[in-house]
Amino acid sequence: DAGVIQSPRHEVTEMGQEVTLRCKPISGHNSLFWYRQTMMRGLELLIYFNNNVPIDDSGMPEDRFSAKMPNASFSTLKIQPSEPRDSAVYFCASSFEAGAGYGYTFGSGTRLTVV
Amino acid sequence: SQQGEEDPQALSIQEGENATMNCSYKTSINNLQWYRQNSGRGLVHLILIRSNEREKHSGRLRVTLDTSKKSSSLLITASRAADTASYFCATASTTDSWGKLQFGAGTQVVVTP
Repeated sequence: DAGVIQSPRHEVTEMGQEVTLRCKPISGHNSLFWYRQTMMRGLELLIYFNNNVPIDDSGMPEDRFSAKMPNASFSTLKIQPSEPRDSAVYFCASSFEAGAGYGYTFGSGTRLTVV
Repeated sequence: SQQGEEDPQALSIQEGENATMNCSYKTSINNLQWYRQNSGRGLVHLILIRSNEREKHSGRLRVTLDTSKKSSSLLITASRAADTASYFCATASTTDSWGKLQFGAGTQVVVTP
């Protein structure tokens, strides 16, 4: 398996634009997590899915953020409109039965810069 | 908010020395995991220790868990330059049945040849 695949690797956009980050989890993993990493706040859990169903989105900072998982092999995180304070590295991670205590496999991340 | 807090924040050692870092957490946990992150990369899972375990080994890694003190330690023996990375502890709380992990701020380890 190629691991968790995220795209794009880097994204530079202007304030107010819509940004869509994409994630392909490992085949067979049924849990998917979106994290954001910044120097100031460290790793923050934004939202997670189990069997494609959103379980907890309490970490999503504002209504400008939304996430979907239309099938087991694809998830998106959308920011509309984007703001400079959204600049961060966004990671997607998947796990096989995370609730049973399995570790996560992280993607390489998307470095988002909003100017 | 971050559940685990690593100590020290940064550690600089020479190749061949051992590196020890600690993690403290606040709530009851099902398991505690350690991850490594190389600069500009994603996190890599290193080792998982369950709440009913006290010590676990994997290669040059040794993890301990003291649930009474709500703390864990990660020991890297005979360190190598390639061990230079940030190390994070992450906890799975007993209040969450979905395996959600809360990460600490990390320990930045530099191993000089």
